Amino acid sequence: AQSVTQPDIHITVSEGASLELRCNYSYGATPYLFWYVQSPGQGLQLLLKYFSGDTLVQGIKGFEAEFKRSQSSFNLRKPSVHWSDAAEYFCAVGTMFSGGYNKLIFGAGTRLAVHP
Amino acid sequence: NAGVMQNPRHLVRRRGQEARLRCSPMKGHSHVYWYRQLPEEGLKFMVYLQKENIIDESGMPKERFSAEFPKEGPSILRIQQVVRGDSAAYFCASSPIGTGEKITGELFFGEGSRLTVL
Repeated sequence: AQSVTQPDIHITVSEGASLELRCNYSYGATPYLFWYVQSPGQGLQLLLKYFSGDTLVQGIKGFEAEFKRSQSSFNLRKPSVHWSDAAEYFCAVGTMFSGGYNKLIFGAGTRLAVHP
Repeated sequence: NAGVMQNPRHLVRRRGQEARLRCSPMKGHSHVYWYRQLPEEGLKFMVYLQKENIIDESGMPKERFSAEFPKEGPSILRIQQVVRGDSAAYFCASSPIGTGEKITGELFFGEGSRLTVL
């Protein structure tokens, strides 16, 4: 069965510092991978996704993620964090079925705090 | 283009009452998903529906929970005889019909309905 592990529950970084959020997945075939961000009291917004092709994917808000099949990882990175990036980040693996049905399995999330 | 609309945003119920949560998908979307987020946890899949059909309800509790997506109107998640453990944020997501290159896999999420059971 598919699963997603986000090892870090909380991360605190200083504004301007670099950021890496870890995500490991378990999936039998080539996975569809996603990163979503959730601000307090809000819904989820898609940051980026990986289906195939280039293993380094660019997303919105200056985020990028790298798919590493050998490590079953899809870590999220940002070179310089802004205070507005404080939020909860969810990694997810999707199973695509015919007709566009995508069943997402989410990790438990990583809560990011940004110090000024 | 309006996003996924959920209402109510906040709902308070006493134990034993019924909760009804509504979700209107984005325009042009005919796939609806419901997810539950318990405090301090990630989102757990509950059910996937297309118009008038439940396709996958593998994440739905066996009792008290039901979902529908009628031909007309919003999708509804119904919880009967609520208990304190039902307190959570319930998120609806939608996606368009797609095949081949049209499949993006992206789910568009609403802002959630937060249920509190007293």
